[in-house]
Amino acid sequence: EVRLLESGGDLVQPGGSLRLSCATSGFTFSNFGLIWVRQAPGQGLEWVAAISASRGNTYYADSVKGRFTISRDSVRNTLYLQMNGLRVEDTAMYYCAKDDSILGVPEYWGQGTRVTVSS
Amino acid sequence: SSELTQDSAVSVALGQTVRITCQGDSLRSFHASWYQQKPGQAPVLVIYAKNNRPSGIPDRFSGSSSGDAASLTITGAQAEDEADYYCLSRDSSGNLRVFGSGTKVTVL
Repeated sequence: EVRLLESGGDLVQPGGSLRLSCATSGFTFSNFGLIWVRQAPGQGLEWVAAISASRGNTYYADSVKGRFTISRDSVRNTLYLQMNGLRVEDTAMYYCAKDDSILGVPEYWGQGTRVTVSS
Repeated sequence: SSELTQDSAVSVALGQTVRITCQGDSLRSFHASWYQQKPGQAPVLVIYAKNNRPSGIPDRFSGSSSGDAASLTITGAQAEDEADYYCLSRDSSGNLRVFGSGTKVTVL
C-alpha cells in the first residue's frame, strides 16, 4: 500500500525557516516523481514544487522560487521541502504527492502538515 | 497564459447530471486531471489523461476535452459527491503544474 506522511509543520515568524518532510512507503521511491502542493485557509490548491524521479530535476512555482528547495533522499525514501524567507502568505496546509509512472499525474497524496507564518 | 479557469460553484439535484469545466490555453497541449476534495481531507484523483478513472472511482465520473477546455461530468450525482473539484494541468513549457481555481459542487 502506498503511503505518504508529511511532518514538520509549525508556527514560525516571518522571515524564518522550516523543513517539511514526507516519509513514503509502498513503492520504489527512486522511480517516481514527487510534488508539494499547498492550500491556504479557505482557498484553492496551489502547486508549489516538483522533483523528477531519476535525474532529480526540480521545478518551482514563481511564488516560492528562490526561497523554497525541494529534495529527495532515496536511502530514507523521504521527500523534503526546505522553506526559507517565510512570508505570512505561505501559511497553508502542505501536501506531498506521488506522480504516476507515465503521465506525471499526482495519484497518491499525504494528509498534509500545517504551516503558519505569523508574528 | 498558464491560468486554468473554473466556475466557482454549481449545484445539482440528487441523481441528476452535472458538468464542471476547466478552461485554459495549456489544455490545447496537455491533458487535465481532476481531483475531488472534501472538507478537512486531502485531494483524491478521480480522472486522469482526459477520461481514465483510478481504481475505486465510480463510473459515474467521466472526463472529456475539446480545444482549450476540459470537463468533468458526474452522471447520477450522489450525496457523497458534494465536494470541491479541481482540474490540474501544466503550463506551456510542460514543466510546471497548474491547478484550476476550483468548483464547489452542491448536491441538492
